[in-house]
Amino acid sequence: EVHLLESGGGLVQPGGSLRLSCTASEFTFSNYAMNWVRQAPGKGLEWVSLISSSGGSTYYADSVRGRFTISRDNSKNTLYLQMNSLRAEDTAVYYCAKRKTSEAVFDSWGQGTLVTVSS
Amino acid sequence: DIVMTQSPDSLAVSLGERATINCKSSQSVLQGSNNKHCLGWYQQKAGQPPKLLIYWASTRESGVPDRFTGSASGTDFTLTISSLQAEDVAVYYCQQYASLPWTFGQGTKVEIK
Repeated sequence: EVHLLESGGGLVQPGGSLRLSCTASEFTFSNYAMNWVRQAPGKGLEWVSLISSSGGSTYYADSVRGRFTISRDNSKNTLYLQMNSLRAEDTAVYYCAKRKTSEAVFDSWGQGTLVTVSS
Repeated sequence: DIVMTQSPDSLAVSLGERATINCKSSQSVLQGSNNKHCLGWYQQKAGQPPKLLIYWASTRESGVPDRFTGSASGTDFTLTISSLQAEDVAVYYCQQYASLPWTFGQGTKVEIK
């Protein structure tokens, strides 16, 4: 069974930085594109970023482009999200999500890590 | 961006009865290469991450009970739970994957009447 475990969340001041990690197991991590999806408290789901299986291609939502950077280390089965210039509206649970092979849906999700941006 | 609009925002259904959730895309999400709709449905129970139920608008994910059915007509999509069970209480989201940024509907909360 696919396992995804996020870490790195916490409380950060506006303008601050945080790096999230997602450790993957029980599947061949390097074969799959990976994503970050977030959910503000009591709100819906928002796709944040996508990285290809090799790491050579990355995509971002407009709301985070230029501030967030997605990356991966296939030798460590780990996905990352570097978040800079954080704003109050970035407060959310951040999920890493595995993309299904051919379809751009998310067939496995981690439990999420909470990021709170507040002074 | 493609806007996904779900209706209703919430509904209460008696156990064993049918629940119907609607989702409308602001433009076509039909993939020309295979004539399939790039539309997925997720179930999110309280305190849990979302779970994929359906993709290509009507293809059930492995292990999903057959009481969950998806359908499509143009830019209108429907998720039907044929006989609501207590464990189906959740928020349901549709998601388009026709073009980036991938976008979700606002969610529909399903409760027991």
